[in-house]
Amino acid sequence: NAGVTQTPKFRILKIGQSMTLQCAQDMNHNYMYWYRQDPGMGLKLIYYSVGAGITDKGEVPNGYNVSRSTTEDFPLRLELAAPSQTSVYFCASSARDRVGYEQYFGPGTRLTVT
Amino acid sequence: EDQVTQSPEALRLQEGESSSLNCSYTVSGLRGLFWYRQDPGKGPEFLFTLYSAGEEKEKERLKATLTKKESFLHITAPKPEDSATYLCAVQASETSGSRLTFGEGTQLTVNP
Repeated sequence: NAGVTQTPKFRILKIGQSMTLQCAQDMNHNYMYWYRQDPGMGLKLIYYSVGAGITDKGEVPNGYNVSRSTTEDFPLRLELAAPSQTSVYFCASSARDRVGYEQYFGPGTRLTVT
Repeated sequence: EDQVTQSPEALRLQEGESSSLNCSYTVSGLRGLFWYRQDPGKGPEFLFTLYSAGEEKEKERLKATLTKKESFLHITAPKPEDSATYLCAVQASETSGSRLTFGEGTQLTVNP
């Protein structure tokens, strides 16, 4: 199993451009998440999904959009990129059949907006 | 609102010098407390889940413990390869989607 994969690894955007960060998991997990991590900080939840067709906002959703058309994929869309969106983005997934629901993370996408 | 505070922010140890990292939390009913390890440029790697006060879990040189207000990650005789940022997170029993609230992490450096 590849686990959670993310593409691209790095990206530089100009202010006002748009892009989609890709995330896929092959563990048949129902739950998927998008986080951002700023330097020296913990992870902040952007959006999450409890299954295909169901998404909800996290702590910091402004400027982002998500969709979940399949169990495997959970893309994150940035519209009109701003310098404040410069960060490292992590996708994670978790199963529904455990009490603790530990999350498994992808390798991250480092995004710079200039 | 759920809150997680980790201390210290950074810790330098000599190889073999045991110590502990602290995670204090406030949550409206704890479903689980999680410890992750994060290496530079990589995603967090799951270490432990603790569910109730008094519970302990071990993995190699790491031992995690839990009380009603805090968790400790004890590192016994650390090695340079234990250098990483250690993240603590909580999951509230009322949280939808099994969301986690993370602390800001403790950056551990173990010198040879």
